[in-house]
Amino acid sequence: NAGVTQTPKFQVLKTGQSMTLQCAQDMNHEYMSWYRQDPGMGLRLIHYSVGAGITDQGEVPNGYNVSRSTTEDFPLRLLSAAPSQTSVYFCASSYSTPGTGGSGANVLTFGAGSRLTVL
Amino acid sequence: KNQVEQSPQSLIILEGKNCTLQCNYTVSPFSNLRWYKQDTGRGPVSLTIMTFSENTKSNGRYTATLDADTKQSSLHITASQLSDSASYICVVTPLFTGGGNKLTFGTGTQLKVEL
Repeated sequence: NAGVTQTPKFQVLKTGQSMTLQCAQDMNHEYMSWYRQDPGMGLRLIHYSVGAGITDQGEVPNGYNVSRSTTEDFPLRLLSAAPSQTSVYFCASSYSTPGTGGSGANVLTFGAGSRLTVL
Repeated sequence: KNQVEQSPQSLIILEGKNCTLQCNYTVSPFSNLRWYKQDTGRGPVSLTIMTFSENTKSNGRYTATLDADTKQSSLHITASQLSDSASYICVVTPLFTGGGNKLTFGTGTQLKVEL
């Protein structure tokens, strides 16, 4: 079972460059999301999608773009990379919006992460 | 602002020993509380999930407890193994998310199990 697949695993960019982090899931999950993880901080939500064609901003959306043309894919675009975007990025998905439903419902499945360094 | 605080920040124990990790939260009312395990270089993996009406949940050697009155949760690991070395993250979901995802993540407790 592939689960949630992220690429690339590592990337180094120069300030001002753009790039796309890829995320794909094969579990037919409606909900997909992107988080960033920084030292000393909890995971923070960047963008999320509750289904194909529907996206919304999370807690820290500035500098990032997303789209959801299919159920399976949810790419994250960095428009003009800045050193403050150096982080580890995680894509996560669930059957529907996390937190809804009872115990055990809609637990997020995370990808392995993408480590991005912006010089 | 909803917060989740975890303690200790890091912990080193000998293999075979037990340990308890703490999570204090201010999210209220809340829908559920989850504990995730994150191995180095990997994404978090769910260990347990409890609703506000549950006060204990086990998953093998992992037992989570919840006291909704004091807004505290703990994760107890029994007979630790080297493979338990990881970061353990407490995550709380408010009862009324207003759409989307309003999970609040703690910063985690870094556990190292040594021989």
